[in-house]
Amino acid sequence: DIQMTQSPSSLSASVGDRVTISCRASQTIGGFLSWFQQQPGKAPNLLIFAASSLQSGVPSRFSGSGSGTNFTLTISSLQPEDFAVYHCQQTYTTPYTFGQGTKLEI
Amino acid sequence: QVQLQQWGAGLLKPSETLSLTCAFYGESFGGYYWSWIRQPPGKGLEWIGEINHTGSTKYSPSLKSRLTISVDTSKKQFSLNLSSVTAADTAVYYCARYSPEGLDSWGQGTLVTVSS
Repeated sequence: DIQMTQSPSSLSASVGDRVTISCRASQTIGGFLSWFQQQPGKAPNLLIFAASSLQSGVPSRFSGSGSGTNFTLTISSLQPEDFAVYHCQQTYTTPYTFGQGTKLEI
Repeated sequence: QVQLQQWGAGLLKPSETLSLTCAFYGESFGGYYWSWIRQPPGKGLEWIGEINHTGSTKYSPSLKSRLTISVDTSKKQFSLNLSSVTAADTAVYYCARYSPEGLDSWGQGTLVTVSS
């Protein structure tokens, strides 16, 4: 299985900050990477697909970059509703593994 | 508008079989893979497996021996059966649609607790 490692595991930030979350794959996955946001008690919500494509309806302050084994999710200016858990997932090959999650908190 | 609604038993005893069903409300059922994902309390997401409208499946190797995913295209539903459950299978189970954009629509989640 491809192992996905996110860093950091948790992150404290303030409204208006620019934050970056990293995701590393144990082997190359091309651009087959998604990012999700999960609010407490809710299902995950797709933010970014194909490493850098913004899902419809997602605010433009979210962006993704990277290819191969190293990927990044950036939130350009944090809003109160952005405090949540973020997950990366590779869809290069099954099983489609997830990172362990990054908790973004105030 | 796309919606997934799931249901199934929430409390099981060890060795029983977990059964969940997910219904798709939308226009097109074919052309996608229909997925199951789980999340143990306080932990990360785990991909379980997926099926398409023809019944072609892909399973997680760690669960494959106990896992069956099936589809009923006439009802636009797909189901998860996981046999011989243990406490380690306690989790919130989600169904989701896998489109070219990824897992773009999710069910509401079902907490399944395995306890004697």
